[in-house]
Amino acid sequence: ETGVTQSPTHLIKTRGQQVTLRCSSQSGHNTVSWYQQALGQGPQFIFQYYREEENGRGNFPPRFSGLQFPNYSSELNVNALELDDSALYLCASSLGLVATGELFFGEGSRLTVL
Amino acid sequence: GDSVTQMEGPVTLSEEAFLTINCTYTATGYPSLFWYVQYPGEGLQLLLKATKADDKGSNKGFEATYRKETTSFHLEKGSVQVSDSAVYFCAPPQRGQNFVFGPGTRLSVLP
Repeated sequence: ETGVTQSPTHLIKTRGQQVTLRCSSQSGHNTVSWYQQALGQGPQFIFQYYREEENGRGNFPPRFSGLQFPNYSSELNVNALELDDSALYLCASSLGLVATGELFFGEGSRLTVL
Repeated sequence: GDSVTQMEGPVTLSEEAFLTINCTYTATGYPSLFWYVQYPGEGLQLLLKATKADDKGSNKGFEATYRKETTSFHLEKGSVQVSDSAVYFCAPPQRGQNFVFGPGTRLSVLP
């Protein structure tokens, strides 16, 4: 069973640039959630995708967008990067929508915005 | 709205000490409660869960009981090890499908 994998693991961007982060969900999982974790903070929910449709969004501006593909992998796109976007971005997959199940996290993509 | 209150850290203990990290929530009716752990440089992983009131979750020597009458889900371990050093998150799900994580409690265990 393949776990959740994320790429890239580390990247550095400058203000105003755009970034795409990628996530492969655990085998058999059809739901992907993205979280932003600033240094010393807990993960903050960005959005969730279920069967290629956005299914819930946290308090993040529209420059944070995403996609889910037919194989349930997912991308997180951030436009017009700001310094405060520097964080660890975590992808988590799960089976179905009901939050009685476990979230399986990847190790994250650490983004630094200069 | 519903919220979770988790004991603030950091917590520093000596090896083999007893650990309690408090977690209380304001609402009732959560279908399940979870503790997640984040080891240095890693993503979060499920530590344990309880799926109904009075249910006890346990894993790796950690335990937590879903206490509906006190709306609590405190994490305990009788004898911590250096390898338990991590950040611990109490996370009942929102009324919906998304987890709400607090700032977590950082535990440092000294040899």
